[in-house]
Amino acid sequence: EAGVAQSPRYKIIEKRQSVAFWCNPISGHATLYWYQQILGQGPKLLIQFQNNGVVDDSQLPKDRFSAERLKGVDSTLKIQPAKLEDSAVYLCASSLDWGNSDTQYFGPGTRLTVL
Amino acid sequence: AQSVAQPEDQVNVAEGNPLTVKCTYSVSGNPYLFWYVQYPNRGLQFLLKYITGDNLVKGSYGFEAEFNKSQTSFHLKKPSALVSDSALYFCAVRDGNTGFQKLVFGTGTRLLVSP
Repeated sequence: EAGVAQSPRYKIIEKRQSVAFWCNPISGHATLYWYQQILGQGPKLLIQFQNNGVVDDSQLPKDRFSAERLKGVDSTLKIQPAKLEDSAVYLCASSLDWGNSDTQYFGPGTRLTVL
Repeated sequence: AQSVAQPEDQVNVAEGNPLTVKCTYSVSGNPYLFWYVQYPNRGLQFLLKYITGDNLVKGSYGFEAEFNKSQTSFHLKKPSALVSDSALYFCAVRDGNTGFQKLVFGTGTRLLVSP
C-alpha cells in the first residue's frame, strides 16, 4: 500500500514570497491533516479535513495560510506571504476515519526555508 | 487541554541493552496514546498505540509500551536496543472524549544507541 505522498520535499524562498505544498493521502483515507513541525519541537496541527470539509483550523494563521481539499482526496497548503518564522517542516497525514482513536499516517514532509 | 511531557531530550544506551523512553500525559477524559519514530529527513512512522484494554501494548520493530493510569505515563521500551533504533521518538496523546480532539505531541526524545 502506497503511503502519504508530499511534494516538493524541499523549498527555499524569500520572505514575502508565496509557496504551496501538495499532499496525496493513502487511498481510501477520509481524513487529512496538515502539521507544522518547527525545529526542536513536536508537530503542531494546522488543519484537519474530513473528506473535503474542514473539521478544525483553529491553529491555522488564516491571514497568511490557506488550505483546500477539493474532491476529498488531494490537498494543498499555501502560505502567502511567507515570514521568517514559517521556516519549518510541513507534514501531511491521513487516517482511515475521523475517530479520535484512529492512527494517523504521515508523509515525508516538506522542509521550508524562508530567507 | 491535553498535553504530553517527554522529560529527556536524549537517551543513550549501548546496543543489546534494554531501553526506555519516558512519556507522561495530561487529559481530561480517557487518554488515547501514541508513539511515533522519526528518522532524519523523513516523516513520522507509527510504532504503537493504546486505546483500551491490556496495559502492555506491543508494536512495530520489537517496541512495546506500558500504560500506567495512576502515574499518567506511557513509557516506550525495548528489551534489546539496536544501533538502527537511533532516531527521534515522539509521544502523542488525544483526549478520548466525544467530538474532535487534537493529537498533541511531546517535544521528542533523541535515542542514541552506541555499538
